[in-house]
Amino acid sequence: EIVLTQSPGTLSLSPGERATLSCRASQSVTNNYLAWYQHKPGQAPRLLIFDTSTRPTGIPDRFSGSGSGTDFTLTLSRLEPEDFAVYYCQQYGSSPRTFGQGTKVEIK
Amino acid sequence: EVQLLESGGGLVQPGGSLRLSCAASGFVFGNSAMTWVRQAPGKGLEWVSTITASGRDTYYADSVKGRFNISRDNSKGTLFLQMSSLRAEDTATYYCAKERGASGRYCFDRWGQGTLVTVSS
Repeated sequence: EIVLTQSPGTLSLSPGERATLSCRASQSVTNNYLAWYQHKPGQAPRLLIFDTSTRPTGIPDRFSGSGSGTDFTLTLSRLEPEDFAVYYCQQYGSSPRTFGQGTKVEIK
Repeated sequence: EVQLLESGGGLVQPGGSLRLSCAASGFVFGNSAMTWVRQAPGKGLEWVSTITASGRDTYYADSVKGRFNISRDNSKGTLFLQMSSLRAEDTATYYCAKERGASGRYCFDRWGQGTLVTVSS
């Protein structure tokens, strides 16, 4: 199974700053089938990015995804107060589909 | 608006059984594969089980294979997870998730808010 390693574990930033989250796969992700989710306590996780870089309808353009092969990045261009949450990457190119362990973006 | 509402969680003793349900609305349920994902306390997300849109094919994580059974009723827009031989390590919040396709091989574009399952004596 593909292991996804996210870094850093925690990111302490201020509103308005840029956040860069990394997701590294133990082997190449087929078709770059990688997604990013946002999860806040007590809420449903939300899909932010799929197919490495595609935003679903309704996701603000301050969220962007990039990468290929084994290295992927989620960038939040300017943090808004509602962006402080845990972010997970997930690969769905190979079975079983796996998640990273998460990166917590917290207010500095 | 897509809505997924899980129910059926609770406290159960080790070795016991529990049946989770997920009531779906706001989309054509029979067109989407559906999945259960869980999150143990303080841990990350773990894929548990998937069922294709038609219900013909099912998939399970090794950790639950032989103990959990996923099913769906497309006429009622409801997803189920029958859990048996429960262990302490099954303690988690269980999320119902809608897939972006019918095959069960894609990502999850809508999630429910989860239902907590606690396995303890």
